[in-house]
Amino acid sequence: NAGVTQTPKFRVLKTGQSMTLLCAQDMNHEYMYWYRQDPGMGLRLIHYSVGEGTTAKGEVPDGYNVSRLKKQNFLLGLESAAPSQTSVYFCASSYSAGANQPQHFGDGTRLSIL
Amino acid sequence: GNSVTQMEGPVTLSEEAFLTINCTYTATGYPSLFWYVQYPGEGLQLLLKATKADDKGSNKGFEATYRKETTSFHLEKGSVQVSDSAVYFCALIDATNAGKSTFGDGTTLTVKP
Repeated sequence: NAGVTQTPKFRVLKTGQSMTLLCAQDMNHEYMYWYRQDPGMGLRLIHYSVGEGTTAKGEVPDGYNVSRLKKQNFLLGLESAAPSQTSVYFCASSYSAGANQPQHFGDGTRLSIL
Repeated sequence: GNSVTQMEGPVTLSEEAFLTINCTYTATGYPSLFWYVQYPGEGLQLLLKATKADDKGSNKGFEATYRKETTSFHLEKGSVQVSDSAVYFCALIDATNAGKSTFGDGTTLTVKP
């Protein structure tokens, strides 16, 4: 059972470089989310999507862009990486916005910006 | 806005000790409450949930009761094992807000043999 798959698992970038993180889910979930996890700060929502072709800003969207061209995929882009974006990034998905619908998480992408 | 506050860690216990991790929340609506667990190098996994007041969620020996009167959802386990060492996150979902979750900062539990 694949569930939520994130690629790559690790990446090191130089300041100013760009990259795209890919999230893929095989559970036919409508909702997808991107979070970043930093020590002592829990998870912070970057962007989310409530369905194919839709995206919305979360708590900390600056410096990131997203796209949801296909229902199963949610891409997170860094246009010009900065050291402050060094973090662990998690993608999650859920079937709906129902209050009893937990989120399913990938294993994360560990990103270092030098 | 919504918020979740967890007891600060880290928590270190001996094997077979009793565990309590406190969680309190603030929400404008009637949220569902969750506990997630994160093992090293992995993503969060759902541990248990409760969707209305007085519900008790349970899984793998862990329990938590949704207390609306005290806005709490404390996690308990009667006898912890070394394999329970992980980071635990309390979270709420407000279904009126695109199903977005609000997470606590996490509590690191280390269980020593």
